[in-house]
Amino acid sequence: EAGVVQSPRYKIIEKKQPVAFWCNPISGHNTLYWYLQNLGQGPELLIRYENEEAVDDSQLPKDRFSAERLKGVDSTLKIQPAELGDSAVYLCASSSRAGGTDTQYFGPGTRLTVL
Amino acid sequence: GESVGLHLPTLSVQEGDNSIINCAYSNSASDYFIWYKQESGKGPQFIIDIRSNMDKRQGQRVTVLLNKTVKHLSLQIAATQPGDSAVYFCAENQPPNFGNEKLTFGTGTRLTIIP
Repeated sequence: EAGVVQSPRYKIIEKKQPVAFWCNPISGHNTLYWYLQNLGQGPELLIRYENEEAVDDSQLPKDRFSAERLKGVDSTLKIQPAELGDSAVYLCASSSRAGGTDTQYFGPGTRLTVL
Repeated sequence: GESVGLHLPTLSVQEGDNSIINCAYSNSASDYFIWYKQESGKGPQFIIDIRSNMDKRQGQRVTVLLNKTVKHLSLQIAATQPGDSAVYFCAENQPPNFGNEKLTFGTGTRLTIIP
């Protein structure tokens, strides 16, 4: 079974530029999560989707961050414009459902460097 | 807000020995806990979980202990192997969230297995 796929794996941009990350969850997983992970820290939830609906985006900085999950499968996380402090690893995870103990499977992440 | 924390940022253990990784949590209402393993360049990988109505749970070579009195969680790894070298995170669920809806991750402990 293929795992969570993320691309690109690495991205280097200059500040004020836009950037987008793509995630393909495990087939059949209805729940999708985007996390931000700073160096040496644990992941922090940005947004959670149930199918195509963003059910928890309370920690997403909506002035510059946006996300979508059209058709309830793949998802894209965008930052516009990027700031120096956005440098981090952006992780995508999926699970068959939320609210239970179904395991969250994480992708390898996209490492973003903002210069 | 309340958060999960770890006692030690690094831990070195001789191959074949047992290791214990500790985690302190501050929210006495937390009802579900998970340990994750993260290898370099990869996303976190589920190891084992435990609900607050239990004080011990065993998996293959791993045991999680929960002491609700002192709000302490530990991960024991038996007969450590080189492949156990990684950063280990504890994560907790705080009501009113349920299960794995909105996990709060700790900072992490880097475990190094010495051959």
